[in-house]
Amino acid sequence: IAGITQAPTSQILAAGRRMTLRCTQDMRHNAMYWYRQDLGLGLRLIHYSNTAGTTGKGEVPDGYSVSRANTDDFPLTLASAVPSQTSVYFCASSDSLGGAGYTFGSGTRLTVV
Amino acid sequence: GENVEQHPSTLSVQEGDSAVIKCTYSDSASNYFPWYKQELGKGPQLIIDIRSNVGEKKDQRIAVTLNKTAKHFSLHITETQPEDSAVYFCAASDANDYKLSFGAGTTVTVRA
Repeated sequence: IAGITQAPTSQILAAGRRMTLRCTQDMRHNAMYWYRQDLGLGLRLIHYSNTAGTTGKGEVPDGYSVSRANTDDFPLTLASAVPSQTSVYFCASSDSLGGAGYTFGSGTRLTVV
Repeated sequence: GENVEQHPSTLSVQEGDSAVIKCTYSDSASNYFPWYKQELGKGPQLIIDIRSNVGEKKDQRIAVTLNKTAKHFSLHITETQPEDSAVYFCAASDANDYKLSFGAGTTVTVRA
């Protein structure tokens, strides 16, 4: 079934540790995104990539990095996790300018202790 | 950049009644306005969208209205059912960007 796969589905992480959240899509979408979802704050964009080889900063990029080596994969790395990064993380992709065709993954619930 | 505000943050309705969620946006260049439904433990899914050349769009029990002059758009759910209980997000984008800007979400609870 075409879509977005995120891994892991959940993780408890000690503060200061490094963590990479994985995201893979099989729809050949050009653009990919990482959002974090916190109660009362909605979906906030962390980083995005409009096409393979390019990335950009979103609304809340500090403490996170991304890479886009190919069309399908868009990993999100927390270099040194802090408790404020406890959140649910969603990866998404789209293939059209103008915002249409967004598809979301099922999310990764991350708890930093 | 675009700023999307969404109200109310929570909404409780009796089964069979209507639910209305309202959003405003700041960027007059925005021309695409989708609505997403997020069920517990899942990612958001598109339920309906509207473009700026249309004032209203319906799909069975859901409808969206757009007022470009006032820069606001609304989601209407009629004859609500328990399965309509979820978090709903509005969003906006312009033709030159891939990205969507999201509202903060509305938690809808349909009481049986």
